[in-house]
Amino acid sequence: AQSVTQPDIHITVSEGASLELRCNYSYGATPYLFWYVQSPGQGLQLLLKYFSGDTLVQGIKGFEAEFKRSQSSFNLRKPSVHWSDAAEYFCAVVRGGGGADGLTFGKGTHLIIQP
Amino acid sequence: AAGVIQSPRHLIKEKRETATLKCYPIPRHDTVYWYQQGPGQDPQFLISFYEKMQSDKGSIPDRFSAQQFSDYHSELNMSSLELGDSALYFCASSGRQGIENSPLHFGNGTRLTVT
Repeated sequence: AQSVTQPDIHITVSEGASLELRCNYSYGATPYLFWYVQSPGQGLQLLLKYFSGDTLVQGIKGFEAEFKRSQSSFNLRKPSVHWSDAAEYFCAVVRGGGGADGLTFGKGTHLIIQP
Repeated sequence: AAGVIQSPRHLIKEKRETATLKCYPIPRHDTVYWYQQGPGQDPQFLISFYEKMQSDKGSIPDRFSAQQFSDYHSELNMSSLELGDSALYFCASSGRQGIENSPLHFGNGTRLTVT
């Protein structure tokens, strides 16, 4: 079954510093991959997605992610974080071939921003 | 822009009671997904519907059932509630093009507390 692993439960970054959140996936074919952000008590907001094509994808809020098949990774990056980026970040993969299939989420990475 | 609407926002029930959660997708979205997120946990996919038919099924307990109606809204029915059912329940919707072309939009969730 498809799965994603987020190795870092918590990450602390100083405001203005760069950020990289790790995500590794397990899937036989080319996966459909996503990064979502969740603020406390809120729903999930899509940051970016990868289905095929260019392996470097740009998302909202200045985030980008790079798909690396050789490393089974889809790490999320941001060159300079803002205090408002503090939230929970989830990497996700589609369970099946797409369509109306659900998503399998990683355990999440809690991002803390230091002033 | 209209978003996914979930009601109620909060719900408190006692053990062995029943609960019904409602989800109103974004207009012209025909696919609905349900997720359960326990405290400090990642969202777990429960079930999805496309054009009023069940499409994908995840870790939905037998005590739960769901359906999608002719106006595309969906209801999650939960019976014989247990303490462990206390969680945030998210609904998401997407358009007919499938998740490849129409990303999921999540509602803000229904927080269910079972006492």
